[in-house]
Amino acid sequence: ETGVTQTPRHLVMGMTNKKSLKCEQHLGHNAMYWYKQSAKKPLELMFVYNFKEQTENNSVPSRFSPECPNSSHLFLHLHTLQPEDSALYLCASSPLTSQDSYEQYFGPGTRLTVT
Amino acid sequence: GQNIDQPTEMTATEGAIVQINCTYQTSGFNGLFWYQQHAGEAPTFLSYNVLDGLEEKGRFSSFLSRSKGYSYLLLKELQMKDSASYLCAVRDHTDKLIFGTGTRLQVFP
Repeated sequence: ETGVTQTPRHLVMGMTNKKSLKCEQHLGHNAMYWYKQSAKKPLELMFVYNFKEQTENNSVPSRFSPECPNSSHLFLHLHTLQPEDSALYLCASSPLTSQDSYEQYFGPGTRLTVT
Repeated sequence: GQNIDQPTEMTATEGAIVQINCTYQTSGFNGLFWYQQHAGEAPTFLSYNVLDGLEEKGRFSSFLSRSKGYSYLLLKELQMKDSASYLCAVRDHTDKLIFGTGTRLQVFP
């Protein structure tokens, strides 16, 4: 039990579809993240939210649109995706404290396949 | 540029010791993390190093040399359940985590 949940766990969508990924954290953290994990590639940071404000957009195409309505929930809205967007999308959260070792806690991910 | 290098795959035998190396070149350094990720599951935190030296936590230890841009994760008394990917990540000067591609470890009986 990591305290970070993601739904759905698996998603298959066509290039013209619109779908949303959901992430929820039950850890009282103030920072949330979206990562993309493709086969044989490093985890790529996509977006960062601190206290519901977006602080990082790592050159992500506009077909990915994040939303953070509160510190516990994070969404990733998807539209007109490309087959190369197929990957595992991981959500993470972390506390924002003065401690150095504030590790990130990851959710199980959504396995996305774009057909 | 930012670069984290670690071996792609390693194999070892149950009960043995294995060392997974990680070298990094990043924009600043605010700590190095090791995560374990089983297939289809979330990465889970294993260790954190910010000062040079060895951090021991049960069967797992992690070492850091900042001057060499080098870390290793040492796994002792290997068990079958240790078969997983091990991710090395460095927190840079902006506090972003930069990940390596991960090392897939297979433990055989």
